[in-house]
Amino acid sequence: DTAVSQTPKYLVTQMGNDKSIKCEQNLGHDTMYWYKQDSKKFLKIMFSYNNKELIINETVPNRFSPKSPDKAHLNLHINSLELGDSAVYFCASSQSALGANQPQHFGDGTRLSIL
Amino acid sequence: GQSLEQPSEVTAVEGAIVQINCTYQTSGFYGLSWYQQHDGGAPTFLSYNALDGLEETGRFSSFLSRSDSYGYLLLQELQMKDSASYFCAVSLSYNTDKLIFGTGTRLQVFP
Repeated sequence: DTAVSQTPKYLVTQMGNDKSIKCEQNLGHDTMYWYKQDSKKFLKIMFSYNNKELIINETVPNRFSPKSPDKAHLNLHINSLELGDSAVYFCASSQSALGANQPQHFGDGTRLSIL
Repeated sequence: GQSLEQPSEVTAVEGAIVQINCTYQTSGFYGLSWYQQHDGGAPTFLSYNALDGLEETGRFSSFLSRSDSYGYLLLQELQMKDSASYFCAVSLSYNTDKLIFGTGTRLQVFP
């Protein structure tokens, strides 16, 4: 069984379009994340949710809007896509345990290419 | 700003030992994690250090020196399947799950 699954795996679209990426985890974790990995493989956090509540919101254009309908799902909607949005987007989850390390479990990524 | 520096690339042969260094300058520090990522794959957790010293997990060990803002990942008895990118990541404080990732090191293992 896949622990963190995200769809679609590949997304090729035109500049200016709106698209969504979905993520689901079946690990029972209460914290979920979105990361962006650029062409140089630099991995940067975008958002994190804990029990459907937005916890981390990095300096991300407001064209990016996360939504968490429940603690097992975290979706990412992107409006007016730009060339610079081309990257791999990873969803991750962990059990929130402030004061102790809890590994983050990553999905397989969504490869977004803007034409 | 936050900065975690790693060598961009390391090469080694099967059976050898390799060390991947990570130096950090961050606004806070609670612990250092290491993640492995194969080409086209997802990052996967390897190890975590909150205290100074060496943590051993099978062929992989991780070391931390908080006073030097430095850590390393040691891979022993290298195998071809260890060819991947390795990332260090800092937890900034006890009250956040946020990780700041390093620049990543690509390890190539040759036969």
